Amino acid sequence: DAKTTQPPSMDCAEGRAANLPCNHSTISGNEYVYWYRQIHSQGPQYIIHGLKNNETNEMASLIITEDRKSSTLILPHATLRDTAVYYCIVRVAHMDSNYQLIWGAGTKLIIKP
Amino acid sequence: GAVVSQHPSRVICKSGTSVKIECRSLDFQATTMFWYRQFPKQSLMLMATSNEGSKATYEQGVEKDKFLINHASLTLSTLTVTSAHPEDSSFYICSVKLASGTIYFGEGSWLTVV
Repeated sequence: DAKTTQPPSMDCAEGRAANLPCNHSTISGNEYVYWYRQIHSQGPQYIIHGLKNNETNEMASLIITEDRKSSTLILPHATLRDTAVYYCIVRVAHMDSNYQLIWGAGTKLIIKP
Repeated sequence: GAVVSQHPSRVICKSGTSVKIECRSLDFQATTMFWYRQFPKQSLMLMATSNEGSKATYEQGVEKDKFLINHASLTLSTLTVTSAHPEDSSFYICSVKLASGTIYFGEGSWLTVV
């Protein structure tokens, strides 16, 4: 079972910041939070990941709460091409130290003109 | 640029035949690759973990004799769907894990069995 909870869908106006929340209340101390997105009919695209500290890259910012039970992905200036399903994933240990990503249902983000 | 390349992107095959999907890591060596399947409007489901030079580890419910995985080199893993049936029609995606720990995904392969 997925260890994260996300709203099923969100809308955001083009040019505004899109803030996507994620709850991961059972996260362990050594588990990372990863964000991916999947545009229709394509493979998932890596966005960002973090452990404790807030992270920022050219695509997005990741804000992790101090207790690490939730996080928010921020797309600072959303464009129409950011319309996709966004997945918040906790990296868990699996099978002889090979970890896997457990996928939930994600949030369908629709950017509106 | 792309980190992982999958081929073919789309394939149609007849029921009962086998089809091979390739997953290549570009410009780096991948000791671990993952194969996923995704049905329409559903999330990704992990099928198996492929380690270079050893047998793949399959998830519960995935038939290893039907979904043959070969990871003979550090840059190539293949998934062969044997004796394909229409219910095998799906979007198959591979991913690779870099030494940094980040996982990147291929573009995916659409399989349609008619």
